[in-house]
Amino acid sequence: GAVVSQHPSWVICKSGTSVKIECRSLDFQATTMFWYRQFPKQSLMLMATSNEGSKATYEQGVEKDKFLINHASLTLSTLTVTSAHPEDSSFYICSAQEVGGKETQYFGPGTRLLVL
Amino acid sequence: GNSVTQMEGPVTLSEEAFLTINCTYTATGYPSLFWYVQYPGEGLQLLLKATKADDKGSNKGFEATYRKETTSFHLEKGSVQVSDSAVYFCAGNTGGFKTIFGAGTRLFVKA
Repeated sequence: GAVVSQHPSWVICKSGTSVKIECRSLDFQATTMFWYRQFPKQSLMLMATSNEGSKATYEQGVEKDKFLINHASLTLSTLTVTSAHPEDSSFYICSAQEVGGKETQYFGPGTRLLVL
Repeated sequence: GNSVTQMEGPVTLSEEAFLTINCTYTATGYPSLFWYVQYPGEGLQLLLKATKADDKGSNKGFEATYRKETTSFHLEKGSVQVSDSAVYFCAGNTGGFKTIFGAGTRLFVKA
């Protein structure tokens, strides 16, 4: 149980295009999902907290117009990197917290984005 | 503020050696504590957790005990295998939405 999927797992795009990453909780409902960014050999940096049916809460320094988050249902959150640039290349990981769950987060396998 | 501190890596061990990765947490309350493992090119997997003092989390031969006095949650395994090579993250949550992660400790196990 408690499986989180991400799609796509790899994406290569041209500079200036937008990329959408999906995060799904497959066997549980998640009122809260989190989006992280991880640079090589570093820890996770929380970008935003996504709550179903409401606006996402962004961490300081994260541009909300650059990284659009939509949490449309209890099993799906999407992150759209708009007008991507090479510096947006990174490993993006989502996690989901089960409704009524006690702090445990379940992570997706990550999406590696390369912007050329 | 809240923080998680874990030992710097990389840690290099021979197969069947004993493993300890130290982790301490600073918080205003008593958080739930977690260890996550990240294999190359993958996301994080929950390895074990403890939600209150003196709890011991265990999984796949790994153990960690929540020590209230020092808010420590050191990860141990009696005999590591090559397949245990990964990055290990200690994390804590005080009951709010945010989980605080340590910097990660990279483990290399040699055959």
